[in-house]
Amino acid sequence: DTGVSQDPRHKITKRGQNVTFRCDPISEHNRLYWYRQTLGQGPEFLTYFQNEAQLEKSRLLSDRFSAERPKGSFSTLEIQRTEQGDSAMYLCASLQGGSLYEQYFGPGTRLTVT
Amino acid sequence: AQSVSQHNHHVILSEAASLELGCNYSYGGTVNLFWYVQYPGQHLQLLLKYFSGDPLVKGIKGFEAEFIKSKFSFNLRKPSVQWSDTAEYFCAVNRNQGGKLIFGQGTELSVKP
Repeated sequence: DTGVSQDPRHKITKRGQNVTFRCDPISEHNRLYWYRQTLGQGPEFLTYFQNEAQLEKSRLLSDRFSAERPKGSFSTLEIQRTEQGDSAMYLCASLQGGSLYEQYFGPGTRLTVT
Repeated sequence: AQSVSQHNHHVILSEAASLELGCNYSYGGTVNLFWYVQYPGQHLQLLLKYFSGDPLVKGIKGFEAEFIKSKFSFNLRKPSVQWSDTAEYFCAVNRNQGGKLIFGQGTELSVKP
């Protein structure tokens, strides 16, 4: 069990560019979550999947954000036309449904938009 | 909307002092409650969780938390802190096991040796 991994760990981009992050969950975990964390705040829910299906998306999430989990394994989070307010830590978590319902978090991707 | 409040933004203690971190939530229905910890440079880890049953739950590293339904609270306690407990602590709630977590803003704990 290698844990949840995220790539890249750090991303610096210019305003207006598109970025994509990847999350690899713990194998056999069927639920995958994305959260965003800004300095001094707790993680804020963005969206989550059960297998390939996107079950919920935050109403606060801009249309510039999209997430996929095409084969029910890894997931990608894309931000189009980045803005300075998108600068944050993007966290991924996974969970094995029907077990102890503990979400295991990855190390996060820190995005800086200049 | 659901919300979680952690009243202490930054707590500073000396080693061996007792710890209590407050957490209140706003949702009136059935909830599941969690405390997560983030040590410097590490990712979020689960300390303990409450789903049902005994309202006093014990977690890892000597931490415990008490669910008081009438007060909508889930405070975290440890009788004697160590320098290695220096970290940020987050309270979280969800309505469905496996559903999204709603986090508080976190409490930074600094333990002086």
